[in-house]
Amino acid sequence: EDKVVQSPLSLVVHEGDTVTLNCSYEVTNFRSLLWYKQEKKAPTFLFMLTSSGIEKKSGRLSSILDKKELFSILNITATQTGDSAVYLCEGNEKLTFGTGTRLTIIP
Amino acid sequence: NAGVTQTPKFQVLKTGQSMTLQCAQDMNHNSMYWYRQDPGMGLRLIYYSASEGTTDKGEVPNGYNVSRLNKREFSLRLESAAPSQTSVYFCASSENPWTGGDYGYTFGSGTRLTVV
Repeated sequence: EDKVVQSPLSLVVHEGDTVTLNCSYEVTNFRSLLWYKQEKKAPTFLFMLTSSGIEKKSGRLSSILDKKELFSILNITATQTGDSAVYLCEGNEKLTFGTGTRLTIIP
Repeated sequence: NAGVTQTPKFQVLKTGQSMTLQCAQDMNHNSMYWYRQDPGMGLRLIYYSASEGTTDKGEVPNGYNVSRLNKREFSLRLESAAPSQTSVYFCASSENPWTGGDYGYTFGSGTRLTVV
């Protein structure tokens, strides 16, 4: 059975801090790992990772995949209150989501 | 550019009633999905359609049926609603199911369903 585990479950930091969110996966036929941000409504796509060691970057957010150790991290630098959200990762092929990390940024 | 449109946004049903949740996408995506999201459980896949004309069960298909009406539309039907089906339902679409394409999955804004 495919499994995606995210840690920590929740995280509270001050504005300006850097955070690292973790996602480990056990999927039978890995194709890609995806990260999403969910605020009040629907998840919005952040990154798709298919290859080990290649960092994807968008502004203050970056992510990298380790296919050997079966995990991915999402880094957010210089956090802002607008980064407060639930961050979800998803492993293919069974389209399995983790339960998410709830990130709260204190001004 | 509407993306993925779900209707209705809210619904209250009595136990045993039936209803259909509608989903339409205008991005010419091949694949469409239905997820439910419950507190502490994350998103769980109910059914998906990898391409027009095909549908497959996800993690939690019991109590649901789907129809891929055409490339744009993918509906989810509850034949006899139960309180355990109280949840937020999301429809999503993507270029293909295995990598999500360059932009991952695009989600609709969700349907909050309460079964009493």
